[in-house]
Amino acid sequence: DQQVKQNSPSLSVQEGRISILNCDYTNSMFDYFLWYKKYPAEGPTFLISISSIKDKNEDGRFTVFLNKSAKHLSLHIVPSQPGDSAVYFCAASAPSYSGGGADGLTFGKGTHLIIQP
Amino acid sequence: GAGVSQSPRYKVAKRGQDVALRCDPISGHVSLFWYQQALGQGPEFLTYFQNEAQLDKSGLPSDRFFAERPEGSVSTLKIQRTQQEDSAVYLCASSDLGPGNTEAFFGQGTRLTVV
Repeated sequence: DQQVKQNSPSLSVQEGRISILNCDYTNSMFDYFLWYKKYPAEGPTFLISISSIKDKNEDGRFTVFLNKSAKHLSLHIVPSQPGDSAVYFCAASAPSYSGGGADGLTFGKGTHLIIQP
Repeated sequence: GAGVSQSPRYKVAKRGQDVALRCDPISGHVSLFWYQQALGQGPEFLTYFQNEAQLDKSGLPSDRFFAERPEGSVSTLKIQRTQQEDSAVYLCASSDLGPGNTEAFFGQGTRLTVV
């Protein structure tokens, strides 16, 4: 049973337009959410995160929105650039049982974003 | 090095062979994670270390999988008697132990192919 769902396996967006990647989760204990970007033959790289006490976090062209009541988050990329073409993973974690720090993340299956010139 | 380093990058093993995958985390990072990523899937959590202590191994798929981090830095994931279903990319990640959640930094992974 997937606790983090990315229902769009792929998304094609024209360069310069907005890319919106969606993610849904089922575990109400999740309190921290992250987006990772992955190029072929490389490991995932951290992009942006959001704590459950916030509903928006912005970093340059990247904004993550969190709707806790709907258990939904989205990543907006504006404007989209060719270098943004990659697989984007949504990930979530629950409060640490060890009293601090990061626990294992639960990942979605990823969305392959293709930016067309 | 500046990032998480994994070796080897690629490993082909014959079914039944034992393999050992190495992870060098970012210097000073207390937390270390192993993930398994099958083709077309997201990474799936295998195990978690805080320094040398293995605090969570709930994701290890069978007792053929064993991980260690004896000195709290380098970690090794060992798979005994490999099976074809073990074929995947194995990712290692490390992070600071901070007051809240912090992002984990991933290595490039080891692609294991069992033939």
